[in-house]
Amino acid sequence: QSALTQPASVSGSPGQSITVSCTGTSSDVGNYNHVAWFQQHPGTAPRLLIYDVSDRPSGVSSRFSGSKSGNTASLTISGLQADDEADYHCTSYTTSGTYVFGTGTKVTVL
Amino acid sequence: QVQLQESGPGLVNPSQTLSLTCTVSGASISSGDYHWSWIRQHPGKGLEWIGYISNIGGTSYNPSLRSRVTISLDTSNSQFSLRLRSVTDADTAVYYCVGVNSGTSKYGDWGQGTLVTVSA
Repeated sequence: QSALTQPASVSGSPGQSITVSCTGTSSDVGNYNHVAWFQQHPGTAPRLLIYDVSDRPSGVSSRFSGSKSGNTASLTISGLQADDEADYHCTSYTTSGTYVFGTGTKVTVL
Repeated sequence: QVQLQESGPGLVNPSQTLSLTCTVSGASISSGDYHWSWIRQHPGKGLEWIGYISNIGGTSYNPSLRSRVTISLDTSNSQFSLRLRSVTDADTAVYYCVGVNSGTSKYGDWGQGTLVTVSA
């Protein structure tokens, strides 16, 4: 299975909105709503931000939202803050009954 | 709150078997609410899904690792384990154990991760 494709980096200024994409195929992202997003600061474990395309766990800010269109899922961060500077990862369930992760995106707050 | 903690050797010789254990607290490892997963991260790289085990012992593995990996369940000790055979330096990574709500992509409960280095 091939890794989902994410942009290597995305940047924005404080207060702006940015979107991170996660492109797969009809065998994963396009076929299931089991897509999740994670935030990871250096030296720490990933933290779940979004699951099942657009659901937020309790405690996660509403500034983080998820969506999907066709084979591409997206994570939008609104009202960008300095602490949002981190790596972001997506994952999707696949038709093989496995999960596949994305290539990862570094978000920089200018 | 579900808590997970990885344990095992931090150094493994090439061609040997990497063995890690994850101890779960705050949830019953034998309930059907969770799939118990292993994920790894090579230094400076993205995440790689290794596989999971269900409460009844059903497993699913990454095709690229399937020939070398086994995930098992020890309900009496509330633990699940990872064994990766015939390791090379390409298996050097931080290994995470994760609890995933069954039937969803809610990878909500992570261990802190443990670095395993493959080197002679």
